[in-house]
Amino acid sequence: GIQVEQSPPDLILQEGANSTLRCNFSDSVNNLQWFHQNPWGQLINLFYIPSGTKQNGRLSATTVATERYSLLYISSSQTTDSGVYFCAVDTYSGAGSYQLTFGKGTKLSVIP
Amino acid sequence: EPEVTQTPSHQVTQMGQEVILRCVPISNHLYFYWYRQILGQKVEFLVSFYNNEISEKSEIFDDQFSVERPDGSNFTLKIRSTKLEDSAMYFCASSQGVNYGYTFGSGTRLTVV
Repeated sequence: GIQVEQSPPDLILQEGANSTLRCNFSDSVNNLQWFHQNPWGQLINLFYIPSGTKQNGRLSATTVATERYSLLYISSSQTTDSGVYFCAVDTYSGAGSYQLTFGKGTKLSVIP
Repeated sequence: EPEVTQTPSHQVTQMGQEVILRCVPISNHLYFYWYRQILGQKVEFLVSFYNNEISEKSEIFDDQFSVERPDGSNFTLKIRSTKLEDSAMYFCASSQGVNYGYTFGSGTRLTVV
């Protein structure tokens, strides 16, 4: 099956700093999503981004499908940005079925 | 914004007991999924459901697991005889279809003791 690699696995930032999280995937994908898992375990959808660039406030994401990677940028980080960021790719698994495959995540800790 | 609703948020059960996890997907979505996340690990696919039948299931989804859409709005995951290793966060998700994103519920944290 498809492999999804995220880097770095852990990241500690001072509040106000910027960061870039990376997601590499091993095969063509139908779509890609970025999620933030908050301390309560909820998966919050950040971006649905099969290609191109999108921005939402301090967050932006870029996917270069032809080179099989996606980047998530966090600017002016805040303590509430802490949590685990997951990249997930949507692929056709046969018999008319699609499924999301998740990476292992990047654990972000923003300290005051 | 429409939400996927999961109940209960937490459940503690004794090993060997049956549990039913409930989900209400977004009303105009056609594809439904269960995923699970063992503490500290990545989110894993369990099963997909479309047109009132299972589309695909993973190796994790053995005979102890079953899914049902009993009334056109609820989507349930049943674990027939729970084991300690079934302890995890279980997420329900739904999608309108290909080229649309997935919306996840808030999860049910299942603890088997």
